[in-house]
Amino acid sequence: QVQLLQSGAEVKKPGASVKVSCKVSGFSLTGYYMHWVRQAPGQGPEWMGWITPNSGDTNYAQKFQGRVSLTRDTSTNTAYMELSRLTSDDTAVYYCAGEVISDLDYWGQGTLVTVTS
Amino acid sequence: EIVLTQSPATLSLSPGERATLYCRTRQTFSSYLAWYQQKPGQAPRLLIYDASTRAPGIPPRFSGSGSGTDFTLTISSLEPEDFAIYYCQQRTSWGITFGQGTRVEIK
Repeated sequence: QVQLLQSGAEVKKPGASVKVSCKVSGFSLTGYYMHWVRQAPGQGPEWMGWITPNSGDTNYAQKFQGRVSLTRDTSTNTAYMELSRLTSDDTAVYYCAGEVISDLDYWGQGTLVTVTS
Repeated sequence: EIVLTQSPATLSLSPGERATLYCRTRQTFSSYLAWYQQKPGQAPRLLIYDASTRAPGIPPRFSGSGSGTDFTLTISSLEPEDFAIYYCQQRTSWGITFGQGTRVEIK
């Protein structure tokens, strides 16, 4: 049974960084792509980037280049997303999503990140 | 840059009616288009991938079609649980883009 369990909600000040974790069970991060998607209040999903299965290479949406870092710990089968230099525009629900059969077919429950002074 | 344009923005229908949702790209980037359903407070759920293949567990009333620049999601007969927001999504070698969504609401 596939499960993606994300870390809890975060409240951050502008300029700070946030790191969200996504513990995966049911498939190995070394076998499948892992994506990160965010969704601001009342908005559609916005893809942030992916980490590849074999080499762990990353590909980031241009909008987040230089500010986001996707990593993984294969020993615990956990993926991480770190976003730096936060502003209020980064207030959103952040999701990890696995690409097992095709596209983003398994999703975490989401992590609310609130950026407020 | 891929831009996906969904129409209509809102679809007001009654249970039992047929829903037809559209997703258009400016250029042909890929035939690998996916559709997602999202309900309030939940993560998106994959319905259709590769334009027309239903994801596991998705009822047959959901169908996808199209190629090139024009794609369609059809719900043959709306069930009460189908009222939600639907997003299309396309993937290329450089990234993933979502459409802005179509809300299917109860008339």
